[in-house]
Amino acid sequence: EVQLLESGGGLVQIGGSLRLSCAASGFSFSGFGMNWVRQAPGRGLEWVSGVSPSGETTHYADSVRGRFTISRDNSRDTVYLQIHRLTADDTATFYCTKGDRSGGIDHWGQGTLVTVSS
Amino acid sequence: QSVLTQPPSVSAAAGQKVTISCSGSYSNIGRNFVSWYQQFPGTAPKLLIHENYNRPSGTPDRFSGSKSGTSATLDITGLQTGDEADYYCGTWDHSLDAGIFGGGTKLTVL
Repeated sequence: EVQLLESGGGLVQIGGSLRLSCAASGFSFSGFGMNWVRQAPGRGLEWVSGVSPSGETTHYADSVRGRFTISRDNSRDTVYLQIHRLTADDTATFYCTKGDRSGGIDHWGQGTLVTVSS
Repeated sequence: QSVLTQPPSVSAAAGQKVTISCSGSYSNIGRNFVSWYQQFPGTAPKLLIHENYNRPSGTPDRFSGSKSGTSATLDITGLQTGDEADYYCGTWDHSLDAGIFGGGTKLTVL
């Protein structure tokens, strides 16, 4: 069974930094791309970032490029999202997601809440 | 405003059929597979349809997907009160070089 367990969320001050982690299990981690998707309270889904199976290729939404960095450690079956210069607009539940073979997303974690406050 | 356009809400009576549309462009739906996700309040989204029309194990056959050109559709037949949720379409956009979602559609079963 695929499991994705996010951690690292919490209350952070505006301008601060945070690193989210996602521990994966139940599949061959190094064979699949991984993504982060966020959802602000009461809002829709927003794709944030993705990383290739090897970690060599990364992609970002325009809204976060330059502030967010995605990475992965295939020896630990873990994907990370480093977030800098947090703003109130970053307040959201961040979901770790597993990519499928055709470019979509087939599994979601339970999410970790990031709250940015002054 | 989302790159993929969905109706904010749809409704139909229990037992009836509802259709949720997802409109995009050549750079996204026109060139890539579309997935559909179901999300209940307070829970994570779940994959409902992948590769335009394929149902993962666990998705009832009351749910079906299709794609034509730059638009995709999710049909739900035999509506049940338990189907009340938010539904999102998603795909990759080659111009943006990024993943994208529709704005989501809230389904109400009357």
